[in-house]
Amino acid sequence: NAGVTQTPKFRVLKTGQSMTLLCAQDMNHEYMYWYRQDPGMGLRLIHYSVGEGTTAKGEVPDGYNVSRLKKQNFLLGLESAAPSQTSVYFCASSDGTSGGPTDTQYFGPGTRLTVL
Amino acid sequence: SQKIEQNSEALNIQEGKTATLTCNYTNYSPAYLQWYRQDPGRGPVFLLLIRENEKEKRKERLKVTFDTTLKQSLFHITASQPADSATYLCAPPSVANSGYALNFGKGTSLLVTP
Repeated sequence: NAGVTQTPKFRVLKTGQSMTLLCAQDMNHEYMYWYRQDPGMGLRLIHYSVGEGTTAKGEVPDGYNVSRLKKQNFLLGLESAAPSQTSVYFCASSDGTSGGPTDTQYFGPGTRLTVL
Repeated sequence: SQKIEQNSEALNIQEGKTATLTCNYTNYSPAYLQWYRQDPGRGPVFLLLIRENEKEKRKERLKVTFDTTLKQSLFHITASQPADSATYLCAPPSVANSGYALNFGKGTSLLVTP
């Protein structure tokens, strides 16, 4: 079991460029999440999904889009990157048996993104 | 809106002592709360979940309390070791996301020195 994996681990973009971050989990979890973590701000929820084909906005969704075409994958897209999106991005998954809040979230190793 | 507060200042303690970390929440009453550990450069790892009717939960050297009157959870590490040095995050459920997600605190950094 690899758990939750994220691709890539590091990326540098120029302002206006686009990219997609890939999150994959092999635990057959229903729920998946994308967070960003900035110094002094803690983890903030960007988007989440409660099942294949569903997505919902979190606390800071502007400038990001997501897709969950397959249960095991959750993609985070930046259409036109801005320096304010420089951050560490974490993906997480949970099995969803309790409806979310009491389920353990399993996190990936993170993607460090710098936008110049 | 719901607010979660953890000590922003790092907690430095000596090996063998008990570390106590605080999580205060305002403007809502969560029925449960999770605690995670995060090491530098890594994603958070789940430690414990406590429900409002449990008051106290233990796992090896870890103990969590949940005081719904004070709106506070305390996280204790007894007989602390340098390997316990990390950032600890509390996470009650997020009211804003229909209860599906967690609302993470900013975390408290713990440094245990030999």
